[in-house]
Amino acid sequence: ETGVTQTPRHLVMGMTNKKSLKCEQHLGHNAMYWYKQSAKKPLELMFVYNFKEQTENNSVPSRFSPECPNSSHLFLHLHTLQPEDSALYLCASSQDLLVNQPQHFGDGTRLSIL
Amino acid sequence: DQQVKQNSPSLSVQEGRISILNCDYTNSMFDYFLWYKKYPAEGPTFLISISSIKDKNEDGRFTVFLNKSAKHLSLHIVPSQPGDSAVYFCAASVTGGQNFVFGPGTRLSVLP
Repeated sequence: ETGVTQTPRHLVMGMTNKKSLKCEQHLGHNAMYWYKQSAKKPLELMFVYNFKEQTENNSVPSRFSPECPNSSHLFLHLHTLQPEDSALYLCASSQDLLVNQPQHFGDGTRLSIL
Repeated sequence: DQQVKQNSPSLSVQEGRISILNCDYTNSMFDYFLWYKKYPAEGPTFLISISSIKDKNEDGRFTVFLNKSAKHLSLHIVPSQPGDSAVYFCAASVTGGQNFVFGPGTRLSVLP
């Protein structure tokens, strides 16, 4: 149990669907992250939130829309995705952005786009 | 161009022997490094870290060595156990930032 919970664990959707990924952390952290891991590629950072404010958007297409209503919850809203968006989406959290410290990951959502 | 490289996609080691996983980086600004372990169907789990003011950090069976001049770090697992079989990722960042750059991972298989 890492303290970071992601739902759903698996998601299959068509290209015209709208769905959302959810992440919740019970660690009292203030920073949360979305990563994408495609097959045979390193983890790619997508978004960073600190105290509910977005601090980083790594040139992610607008069909991915993050939302952070509070420091414990992070969503990734998906709309009109492409087949190449099929990947493992990982959420992580850390105490904050300032001090050298590890990030704690959830178990991910395996997303398949038909 | 990958800033963090793990040139061995896979490694097999006999139980009880030493496992050595290697990681190279190109950005000389990186000064904080971590190793994560990942089992199938689970997220990465933090294993051990090192900052650039040190050249070695040890935690039980796990030791990380950092060679700043060579821009190289390695993870040693002694003795290796079957439960260590997993994918190992190294990651690097600049102090004060949480924008970690991850390597592609090395799959370790510890054979009984």
